Amino acid sequence: AQKVTQAQTEISVVEKEDVTLDCVYETRDTTYYLFWYKQPPSGELVFLIRRNSFDEQNEISGRYSWNFQKSTSSFNFTITASQVVDSAVYFCALSEASGANSKLTFGKGITLSVRP
Amino acid sequence: EPEVTQTPSHQVTQMGQEVILRCVPISNHLYFYWYRQILGQKVEFLVSFYNNEISEKSEIFDDQFSVERPDGSNFTLKIRSTKLEDSAMYFCASRGDSGRREAFFGQGTRLTVV
Repeated sequence: AQKVTQAQTEISVVEKEDVTLDCVYETRDTTYYLFWYKQPPSGELVFLIRRNSFDEQNEISGRYSWNFQKSTSSFNFTITASQVVDSAVYFCALSEASGANSKLTFGKGITLSVRP
Repeated sequence: EPEVTQTPSHQVTQMGQEVILRCVPISNHLYFYWYRQILGQKVEFLVSFYNNEISEKSEIFDDQFSVERPDGSNFTLKIRSTKLEDSAMYFCASRGDSGRREAFFGQGTRLTVV
């Protein structure tokens, strides 16, 4: 069975600080996909990034970067120079490759508050 | 940019009543999902739908729930006899072909059972 753990529940930072959101996952599959979604106060779920298990290259996209470490089953997400608009709940999610229509398993989410 | 749309945004219903939540997935997507999020909790998978049939369902998705894709565009979730504990945000999601694994979510329908 797949499982996603987001040990942090709430993080509060001051604008322009960098912040890292942690995610640890469990799966028996050797091929899987990891995601970060953002849920702003308006409630919708917004896709941010996807990483395939067979690609451990870490990337930067604008103010977002992620650190995928298969050895520790972690998929951490960093926001650089945080802004008030980054305030939201951030969910890490896992999808196993077995079955093309495989579902997402979400973590409990991390509430990020960015203060001006 | 194409998006998943859900209606209504908020529905209040009496316990025991039937509700239908509606979704229009992104037009060329093939895989469709319903998830729910009880207030303040994590997002939970309910059901996936592909090729006009359910491909997977969770233990939450009991006989009170059903899904349908009545035409080429809509995807509905029906709850036959609502219970207080069905109060939640319900999200529809869709995904493209098997090579693209990210699902795109609608804005959600907040269901309140009173």
